[in-house]
Amino acid sequence: GDSVTQMEGPVTLSEEAFLTINCTYTATGYPSLFWYVQYPGEGLQLLLKATKADDKGSNKGFEATYRKETTSFHLEKGSVQVSDSAVYFCALSHPNTGNQFYFGTGTSLTVIP
Amino acid sequence: DTGVSQNPRHKITKRGQNVTFRCDPISEHNRLYWYRQTLGQGPEFLTYFQNEAQLEKSRLLSDRFSAERPKGSFSTLEIQRTEQGDSAMYLCASNWSGSLRSEAFFGQGTRLTVV
Repeated sequence: GDSVTQMEGPVTLSEEAFLTINCTYTATGYPSLFWYVQYPGEGLQLLLKATKADDKGSNKGFEATYRKETTSFHLEKGSVQVSDSAVYFCALSHPNTGNQFYFGTGTSLTVIP
Repeated sequence: DTGVSQNPRHKITKRGQNVTFRCDPISEHNRLYWYRQTLGQGPEFLTYFQNEAQLEKSRLLSDRFSAERPKGSFSTLEIQRTEQGDSAMYLCASNWSGSLRSEAFFGQGTRLTVV
């Protein structure tokens, strides 16, 4: 069945460091891929998405490219800020599986000044 | 529209009691999802509705769990005879089936603690 494997954390970075959080998926066909972010005490918010191969999603300085050949959707940011401290979830959905969303286990990011 | 709304935000209950949570989706959304999230884990799918029809249920949804969406608007999730293992965050999400690749919009969740 469909699944998402996400880099385990926690991750601690200094402000302005480069961030990569790895995500790979297993699915038939062409799922849609998402990154969600959960700030402390808040609900899940969509960070970015990509709906077809080679699409790049981007938002708030974060980027991720849908790589069909490597079944990956790695999240990157060139210069993290303290305000980026949160838990990041990779997810997929697929019209063939009722559009339910499959999530990774989440990666906790702490950015220190 | 203020997004997906869940009530209550927190619920503490004694083992063996029944609890009910409510979710009000974004008004134009016809799909509604329930997820459960435990500490350090990602959300796990429980069930989803399209309009008032419950189209899929996870094996995680034991007989003690029941969900309804009687008029295709708000939904309720009831847990009967709660157990300590039911302690988790219960998340509701919604989207529109007319957009095949739409993201899901999440509420802030109901945190259940069974003591």
